[in-house]
Amino acid sequence: DTGVSQNPRHKITKRGQNVTFRCDPISEHNRLYWYRQTLGQGPEFLTYFQNEAQLEKSRLLSDRFSAERPKGSFSTLEIQRTEQGDSAMYLCASSPGLAGDNEQFFGPGTRLTVL
Amino acid sequence: QQPVQSPQAVILREGEDAVINCSSSKALYSVHWYRQKHGEAPVFLMILLKGGEQKGHEKISASFNEKKQQSSLYLTASQLSYSGTYFCGTEVITNAGNNRKLIWGLGTSLAVNP
Repeated sequence: DTGVSQNPRHKITKRGQNVTFRCDPISEHNRLYWYRQTLGQGPEFLTYFQNEAQLEKSRLLSDRFSAERPKGSFSTLEIQRTEQGDSAMYLCASSPGLAGDNEQFFGPGTRLTVL
Repeated sequence: QQPVQSPQAVILREGEDAVINCSSSKALYSVHWYRQKHGEAPVFLMILLKGGEQKGHEKISASFNEKKQQSSLYLTASQLSYSGTYFCGTEVITNAGNNRKLIWGLGTSLAVNP
């Protein structure tokens, strides 16, 4: 198992464009999380999945953000009509989802720059 | 709901000790500790689940107080490799019942110098 992978690692886009990121969790991990992190801050929760079900979405997230995990394996995060304030590192993490033990394994992140 | 971490930054000489604190205004389900080096993803250190729990090994350990509102991370005889930003992530029970998510502190920057 090679751990959590994310693609692309870097994305530069112009304001107003749509972008999509992919996360492949550790196989057989039931839970998958998306976070956003800006310089000097801790990860900010965006949303999380238990298998294919999206169980919670941050109220901070505007309608421009959407995430899917159609088959309970990989997940995609789409940002529509990007704004400069969306520039950040987008982190994906997965965990086994076992009761009491929710160690989260992070991917390397996708760094988004909106010009 | 965001936990408060203190101190914000620590500078040590190799071999010195440090304590990083994480406090919440509400009782927590658990506390997670992670370390993140510049340009890298956070790496898991440990989870504490029970009030009064202490966990870890001789060099890096953590405690969770009885009320489950404060946790401390202890770094003993620090090594150069300990440098990075330490985050606590607090797990709360959400309104959806068994759904849980991590709320992260702002981090404590630790620099260990030779």
